[in-house]
Amino acid sequence: GQQLNQSPQSMFIQEGEDVSMNCTSSSIFNTWLWYKQDPGEGPVLLIALYKAGELTSNGRLTAQFGITRKDSFLNISASIPSDVGIYFCAGAVFNAGKSTFGDGTTLTVKP
Amino acid sequence: DGGITQSPKYLFRKEGQNVTLSCEQNLNHDAMYWYRQDPGQGLRLIYYSQIVNDFQKGDIAEGYSVSREKKESFPLTVTSAQKNPTAFYLCASSKIPTGNTGELFFGEGSRLTVL
Repeated sequence: GQQLNQSPQSMFIQEGEDVSMNCTSSSIFNTWLWYKQDPGEGPVLLIALYKAGELTSNGRLTAQFGITRKDSFLNISASIPSDVGIYFCAGAVFNAGKSTFGDGTTLTVKP
Repeated sequence: DGGITQSPKYLFRKEGQNVTLSCEQNLNHDAMYWYRQDPGQGLRLIYYSQIVNDFQKGDIAEGYSVSREKKESFPLTVTSAQKNPTAFYLCASSKIPTGNTGELFFGEGSRLTVL
């Protein structure tokens, strides 16, 4: 099946620093999504991208849908302690009925 | 408020016992999904259902069973055939099957521990 390679696996940063993470695939996706999971909770959608080349922001978060449809990145600017959690990328193909998830990036922010 | 409710949040089971995890949504979503999460392994799809009375196997369906008798409900049974059932289980729903919008709404999860 399709697989997503998400990197880095984990990040340890100081409060105020910017963060960047990305996902790549050998297959094309029609939709790229980024979710955040707080400890012991279910993931919550942060940003959804629907067009190749699309750049979308949500507050301090910015994500892009790669022009080849095989990659996406998520940037977090000026990190704060509540940014701590696991960030997942996911890709979806039209009419596939399901999404494919990356293995997640665990973010730790030091005050 | 609309949302997805999973129960129980924590569950302990003895080896050889079947256990059923509940998932109920009042979002009027057509599609529902079950994922398993192990540390460092991301989310793996167990089963999914796009309409009532129909469901498909995901990537790791062995040892699990589901039913979709009502639009609102998608219970997951972890059977004794599942070799390593200890995990965090997440239920999700989407307005229409992901692949068209891809946007999933997740419940808070159920943590199953086999003793």
